[in-house]
Amino acid sequence: DTAVSQTPKYLVTQMGNDKSIKCEQNLGHDTMYWYKQDSKKFLKIMFSYNNKELIINETVPNRFSPKSPDKAHLNLHINSLELGDSAVYFCASSRSLQGANYGYTFGSGTRLTVV
Amino acid sequence: GQQLNQSPQSMFIQEGEDVSMNCTSSSIFNTWLWYKQDPGEGPVLLIALYKAGELTSNGRLTAQFGITRKDSFLNISASIPSDVGIYFCAGQRDYGGSQGNLIFGKGTKLSVKP
Repeated sequence: DTAVSQTPKYLVTQMGNDKSIKCEQNLGHDTMYWYKQDSKKFLKIMFSYNNKELIINETVPNRFSPKSPDKAHLNLHINSLELGDSAVYFCASSRSLQGANYGYTFGSGTRLTVV
Repeated sequence: GQQLNQSPQSMFIQEGEDVSMNCTSSSIFNTWLWYKQDPGEGPVLLIALYKAGELTSNGRLTAQFGITRKDSFLNISASIPSDVGIYFCAGQRDYGGSQGNLIFGKGTKLSVKP
């Protein structure tokens, strides 16, 4: 039973394309996140969703749009992909906004390569 | 923005050695976490710390929440080959009752000594 699952695991696409990454959690958590990990392994938060509402939107280009159809899903849609978008994207979830008290549970990541 | 300074950036271990790494910040955090990331996987929580001065163990791992609330360290005793990976510290601040997002350090990469 995978707690936080992301699809696809690998995504190779051309510049200018639009793509989506899906995330699902079966932990009953009510907050979900998207993190970006660059080539130097630095993890930076992009978005968090609590009860289907966007709570945090860091300085991420508006080409990136999170979509949450329900508490268990948080998808990431990216328009007009650029070379600099190449990275590993991690979905995570936690219980309530006080997530650190219980730790964030991460998915295994989606490696996006823009060519 | 908030930054966590994690050191060392990388280190080589020989089986049986003890390992130490630490994280410092210019800001106060009310929660410190330590994660490990294996290749091709997401970070996995190792230890969570909630109080200044708290010392917590998880098997061979021991972590402490600094008294000033601006630092934390992680020790691994008697390292084994499967300890290799990237270790991240992460901190969270309390903004007047609501929790801020989790901020990560830049990681410490543990490799086996050739």
